[in-house]
Amino acid sequence: NAGVTQTPKFQVLKTGQSMTLQCAQDMNHEYMSWYRQDPGMGLRLIHYSVGAGITDQGEVPNGYNVSRSTTEDFPLRLLSAAPSQTSVYFCASSPQDLDRGRNQPQHFGDGTRLSIL
Amino acid sequence: GDSVTQMEGPVTLSEEAFLTINCTYTATGYPSLFWYVQYPGEGLQLLLKATKADDKGSNKGFEATYRKETTSFHLEKGSVQVSDSAVYFCALRASRTGGFKTIFGAGTRLFVKA
Repeated sequence: NAGVTQTPKFQVLKTGQSMTLQCAQDMNHEYMSWYRQDPGMGLRLIHYSVGAGITDQGEVPNGYNVSRSTTEDFPLRLLSAAPSQTSVYFCASSPQDLDRGRNQPQHFGDGTRLSIL
Repeated sequence: GDSVTQMEGPVTLSEEAFLTINCTYTATGYPSLFWYVQYPGEGLQLLLKATKADDKGSNKGFEATYRKETTSFHLEKGSVQVSDSAVYFCALRASRTGGFKTIFGAGTRLFVKA
């Protein structure tokens, strides 16, 4: 009964380094998304995917790449980390019923706490 | 674009007090509305939802009613407990034309004192 699994839970990077945040779900959900959480700003959508092979940009996509080669996995890549990307990152998934997709809540992972020095 | 505005915190209450956290939204079409709760060190969990006007969502003593005329979805609980201390997020999920994206408010931190 894993749900949404994010790894790593904590990471410290130096400016300019690259890394990939992993996200996997075992609920066969079509819809997956990445958010960043910063104090006083709620959750802001970075990228999302409505199914394997399909991704789109959210509110704050700059500096991040995603891909969706399988239904289960949705990794988030930082190509060249910057201090402004210090944040807590959450991955979420939900069913994508094309007629009632708006009714489905998101299932969240426990987050990755990322610090960039 | 779609947006959610909720009252700023923190909100500090004594145990057994009445809780209201205000939430208003702006959206095209007919979004669904949600309240999520986040406990320290954890991800967000669904607390309750409402999918159409006048629906009331409820869970664990919390309630919220989807008011289309006032574009509001205020969270209420009649008697809070220390264990309710957490951050509460109001959110909407857009319709198909909005890509079914979920838009969150900034969150309201609740402290409940014994």
